Amino acid sequence: GESVGLHLPTLSVQEGDNSIINCAYSNSASDYFIWYKQESGKGPQFIIDIRSNMDKRQGQRVTVLLNKTVKHLSLQIAATQPGDSAVYFCAENQAGKLIFGQGTELSVKP
Amino acid sequence: DAGVIQSPRHEVTEMGQEVTLRCKPISGHDYLFWYRQTMMRGLELLIYFNNNVPIDDSGMPEDRFSAKMPNASFSTLKIQPSEPRDSAVYFCASRWDRGNNEQFFGPGTRLTVL
Repeated sequence: GESVGLHLPTLSVQEGDNSIINCAYSNSASDYFIWYKQESGKGPQFIIDIRSNMDKRQGQRVTVLLNKTVKHLSLQIAATQPGDSAVYFCAENQAGKLIFGQGTELSVKP
Repeated sequence: DAGVIQSPRHEVTEMGQEVTLRCKPISGHDYLFWYRQTMMRGLELLIYFNNNVPIDDSGMPEDRFSAKMPNASFSTLKIQPSEPRDSAVYFCASRWDRGNNEQFFGPGTRLTVL
């Protein structure tokens, strides 16, 4: 029979706009979270991380927000560029193992 | 640093053949992880090592899969016999045993089993 693959959530934004990618995590005991970026044909690449005792962390053009009440994580990318087009994964740390979400595909229109 | 190195980058084999994937972690890293990525199941942890010792292999799908880490700079993931459903991209990642838990990923091996 025909196999059915995952259909990743897709976010399409205009170049220069801000992007917000959301993620729900599963375990309220997770103490550390990471956002990874994966470009086609490459391995996941670290973007930014945050510990559970924080609710916001900023990097260069990226901000991660953590809402522990609702177990929600978001990644904000300012002034999105074509080079930001990729699949973005959130991951939560559980006992030393990273558990990855399904990913969101970001498409940037020039 | 060259980062995590994996070989081969692509492997095409026939069902029933043995496949060996190789990984060289970043020098000085204490942990090594093997992942499998497919469209159906996303990114799955198969097994991980700490100081060359396997810690958790609960993600290894079947006895056909085995992994070794004979020293701090080398690990293998072996599939014997391979099946078409093993077709996937296999990633190796490593990290330090201190600080945060950021894992550094290799470029992956794309395996196709015909």
